[in-house]
Amino acid sequence: EVQLIQSGAAVRKPGTTVKISCKVSGYTFTDYFIHWVQQAPGKGLEWVGLVDPEDGETMLAEKFQGRVTITADTSTDTAYMELSSLRSEDTAVYFCATLADYYDSSGYDYWGQGTLVTVSS
Amino acid sequence: DIQMTQSPSSLSASVGDRVTITCRASQGISDYLAWYQQKPGKVPKLLIHAASTLHSGVPSRFSGSGSGTDFTLTISSLQPEDVATYYCHQYSSAPRKFGPGTKVEIK
Repeated sequence: EVQLIQSGAAVRKPGTTVKISCKVSGYTFTDYFIHWVQQAPGKGLEWVGLVDPEDGETMLAEKFQGRVTITADTSTDTAYMELSSLRSEDTAVYFCATLADYYDSSGYDYWGQGTLVTVSS
Repeated sequence: DIQMTQSPSSLSASVGDRVTITCRASQGISDYLAWYQQKPGKVPKLLIHAASTLHSGVPSRFSGSGSGTDFTLTISSLQPEDVATYYCHQYSSAPRKFGPGTKVEIK
């Protein structure tokens, strides 16, 4: 069974950093990109970025460049998203997911349960 | 960057109605488009990938069509359990992009 298990909810003060983990099981970690998706309260889905666990290459949405770091640890089959210089607008649920993608015709699409990050002074 | 638009932003229809949601990409994305359904408080669920391929386990009343810049998600007979927000997602190039969503309600 494929599972993406994310770390628990976090509360941070403005200006600090949060690091969310996404532990994968049930498939070969290096076979699929891991994407991160943000969903602010009452808002839509926003793509944050992705990591290719095979070589660590990342791509980020322009909005998050400079503040988001995405990594993958193949020794533990875990992906991470770190968001720095937090501000209130970063309050959201963050999902990790494999997402259907161009390199795979099967629609290999699995999501973590989401991690709520609350930024509040 | 490729921009994604959806219309309508919301709709209300009766049970049994045929519902159509449109997604448009600002430039051609071939058929690298997926449709997701998200119910309140739940994780998004893949319905369609490659523009028209029904994902495993998804009811056949859902269908997708289109290529290039214009895409459609159709629910042939709306059911109460289809109340949700629907998002298109392009995966032709980086940055990936979701559409703004279409909220579907029952009249």
